[in-house]
Amino acid sequence: AQSVTQPDIHITVSEGASLELRCNYSYGATPYLFWYVQSPGQGLQLLLKYFSGDTLVQGIKGFEAEFKRSQSSFNLRKPSVHWSDAAEYFCAVCPAGGYQKVTFGTGTKLQVIP
Amino acid sequence: DAGVIQSPRHEVTEMGQEVTLRCKPISGHDYLFWYRQTMMRGLELLIYFNNNVPIDDSGMPEDRFSAKMPNASFSTLKIQPSEPRDSAVYFCASSFRDFAYEQYFGPGTRLTVT
Repeated sequence: AQSVTQPDIHITVSEGASLELRCNYSYGATPYLFWYVQSPGQGLQLLLKYFSGDTLVQGIKGFEAEFKRSQSSFNLRKPSVHWSDAAEYFCAVCPAGGYQKVTFGTGTKLQVIP
Repeated sequence: DAGVIQSPRHEVTEMGQEVTLRCKPISGHDYLFWYRQTMMRGLELLIYFNNNVPIDDSGMPEDRFSAKMPNASFSTLKIQPSEPRDSAVYFCASSFRDFAYEQYFGPGTRLTVT
């Protein structure tokens, strides 16, 4: 069965600093991978997705993620964090082509300090 | 478009009472998903529909939970009888068939069962 691990439950960064959120997946083949963001009191919003091809994918709000097959990872990055990025971030996976059943990680809560 | 609409936003009820959560998906979307989010278990897929037909309800925790989608613009999730352990945030999401992974989430219903 597919699974997603986000090892960091909570991360604090200073505004303007760079950010990297970790995500590891377990799946027999290369799955489809996603990052979603959840602002307080809101539903989840898709940040970016990876299906195939270029392993560095760009998303909304200045985020990017890199797929590394050898490490089974799909880490999310942003060069300079803004206070409005404070939210919870979810990595997600689904079987290639079977994209209805998306499995979400447990989330990483990002706090941004001045 | 107004996005996915859920009602009520907050529900407080007593154990044993029936609870009905409502969802209006984005017009034109073919898929509808119900999720439950708790601190302990994270985000869990309960059930999803395609063209108003339930496709996979393996995530529904027990017979006390039921979901219907009588038409393309409305779905309900019912809990009867409710128990304190059902307290959670329940999200509805919808997506278009060609991009079923890109799920648009509603704001959620925070359910508290006392």
